[in-house]
Amino acid sequence: EAQVTQNPRYLITVTGKKLTVTCSQNMNHEYMSWYRQDPGLGLRQIYYSMNVEVTDKGDVPEGYKVSRKEKRNFPLILESPSPNQTSLYFCASSHQGPRGEQYFGPGTRLTVT
Amino acid sequence: DAKTTQPPSMDCAEGRAANLPCNHSTISGNEYVYWYRQIHSQGPQYIIHGLKNNETNEMASLIITEDRKSSTLILPHATLRDTAVYYCIVPMDSSYKLIFGSGTRLLVRP
Repeated sequence: EAQVTQNPRYLITVTGKKLTVTCSQNMNHEYMSWYRQDPGLGLRQIYYSMNVEVTDKGDVPEGYKVSRKEKRNFPLILESPSPNQTSLYFCASSHQGPRGEQYFGPGTRLTVT
Repeated sequence: DAKTTQPPSMDCAEGRAANLPCNHSTISGNEYVYWYRQIHSQGPQYIIHGLKNNETNEMASLIITEDRKSSTLILPHATLRDTAVYYCIVPMDSSYKLIFGSGTRLLVRP
């Protein structure tokens, strides 16, 4: 089954404790992207990757890092999480970049205390 | 990004057609219009996209006006499971991003 998986689905952590949210897709898509969703602000793009070893900032990249060492995986790294990064995070992938049909993961709900 | 304007909320009766409008008056000549929806807090789901001709798939129909300044997503026989937030998106020519606005919250009533 074609899918995008994210782990963990739920995470509660403390300020400053490094964490990684994994994202994996099994569709051999070149384009992958991370979004965060906050009430009243909608979905905002954090980072995207057009292919392996190619990443670029989205609209809200501050406080996040990403890597794309293999086509299927696109982890989101929070080196020193802060409470303002409490949010719902979605990973997405597409065969044709942002203009193709994007497949979204189920989401990761992160709480930073 | 080309801006889109959607009504914040709409409702329709189950079994009836739901017609969701979107204005995108600054769209450029070769940009597609994309529609996604998000059910509760699940990941957004692609519905359909089009350039200038009307499009139909198993989920919905997309009607784009001749001047391409607006479009309408049609769910021909809405069900309770179609209750969701619907996003109309038009990316810029040179952008590698999709910007989701606030969308239209559709409530399908029994």
